[in-house]
Amino acid sequence: AIQMTQSPSSLSASVGDRVTITCRASQGIRNDLGWYQQKPGKAPKLLIYAASTLQSGVPSRFSGSGSGTDFTLTISSLQPEDFATYYCLQDYTYPWTFGQGTKVEIK
Amino acid sequence: EAQLLESGGGLVQPGGSLRLSCAASGFSFSSYVMSWVRQAPGKGLEWVSAIRGSGGSTYYADPVKGRFTISRDNPKNTLYLQMNSLRAEDTAVYYCAKDIGSSGYSVTDNYYYYGMDVWGQGTTVTVSS
Repeated sequence: AIQMTQSPSSLSASVGDRVTITCRASQGIRNDLGWYQQKPGKAPKLLIYAASTLQSGVPSRFSGSGSGTDFTLTISSLQPEDFATYYCLQDYTYPWTFGQGTKVEIK
Repeated sequence: EAQLLESGGGLVQPGGSLRLSCAASGFSFSSYVMSWVRQAPGKGLEWVSAIRGSGGSTYYADPVKGRFTISRDNPKNTLYLQMNSLRAEDTAVYYCAKDIGSSGYSVTDNYYYYGMDVWGQGTTVTVSS
């Protein structure tokens, strides 16, 4: 199975900060990668698919980039509602695999 | 509005079985790939299984292969996950999720991309003696 390595595992940031989370695949996955946000006790929410396509209704401060093995999720200006855990998911081939998650906490 | 509602979770002994259900509404159920994703207590997300709209193709994560079976009843708009030979490490919240379907089609790439855009609230499975 393809391994997804996400970094950092956690970070502390302030409102207004620019935040970057990276995900690396153990082999090339084209741009078949999604980013999901999860808040405590809630189901995950799709933010981005196809590595860089913003899901409908998701604020434009979220953006994704990358192709092949290296991917990035960027939050351009962190808002209070963005404090959550973020996961990447490769859906290039089954079995799909998630990264281990990045918890974004308030500094 | 598309909605998913899981049920069937509970406490089961190691080696036991359980069947989860996911009732879908608000969309053409048979047109979408459906998945199960789980989350063990305090841990990250783990993709478990997926099934194509027709039900003809199914896919599994290695830890559940041979023990879990995904299926769907399209006339009933319901997704299932039959879990056998349950282990303590199967303890988790289980979510069902709908794929984005045709919204994921890229004209530029002539390619369908996946994305799980609608999720249920989850059902808890606890495997313990």
